Amino acid sequence: KNQVEQSPQSLIILEGKNCTLQCNYTVSPFSNLRWYKQDTGRGPVSLTIMTFSENTKSNGRYTATLDADTKQSSLHITASQLSDSASYICVVTSRGGATNKLIFGTGTLLAVQP
Amino acid sequence: NAGVTQTPKFRILKIGQSMTLQCAQDMNHNYMYWYRQDPGMGLKLIYYSVGAGITDKGEVPNGYNVSRSTTEDFPLRLELAAPSQTSVYFCASRSQGYEQFFGPGTRLTVL
Repeated sequence: KNQVEQSPQSLIILEGKNCTLQCNYTVSPFSNLRWYKQDTGRGPVSLTIMTFSENTKSNGRYTATLDADTKQSSLHITASQLSDSASYICVVTSRGGATNKLIFGTGTLLAVQP
Repeated sequence: NAGVTQTPKFRILKIGQSMTLQCAQDMNHNYMYWYRQDPGMGLKLIYYSVGAGITDKGEVPNGYNVSRSTTEDFPLRLELAAPSQTSVYFCASRSQGYEQFFGPGTRLTVL
């Protein structure tokens, strides 16, 4: 069964600190993995996307890694800011058919405190 | 570009009522999607469309209907609303690339 699991469920850190969010997946056939940021009351916004051959991708203070062998990804946030408080969702795309299928994780809720 | 827009932002329905959630995009995307997001759960695909006049069921289509008469619009119809349809609904669109662009969501409560 295609699944995406994220950990931790929630995380509280102090402003300026770093943190790492984890994503494990069992999705086949794999097409790509994307991290989304979802602010409270808003739709998800894409942060990074990685295909099978990519093992790291950065977007400002966000760095995503992908290990396709172990089917694990991480999102590292550097020098956190209050505006980083949001839910971070790992989404894996499975290839096939007329349209690719997206499998969503349940998200990690990050709270950055001053 | 306004991107993906959704109306209304919030709505409360009584059991058995019907309503249409509106979604529009101005990016000329062929692919459009409807998802629901329940507390503590990942987004679930309700319906999708690969172009005007073409729609198909997703993972959780029961109790919903869609139409796609134009490239821009993809309304979601709820007939006979039930408490189980209380959720946040997101519309999304994409071009031939991978990235889906999401709307701001509609929060629906059925009492």
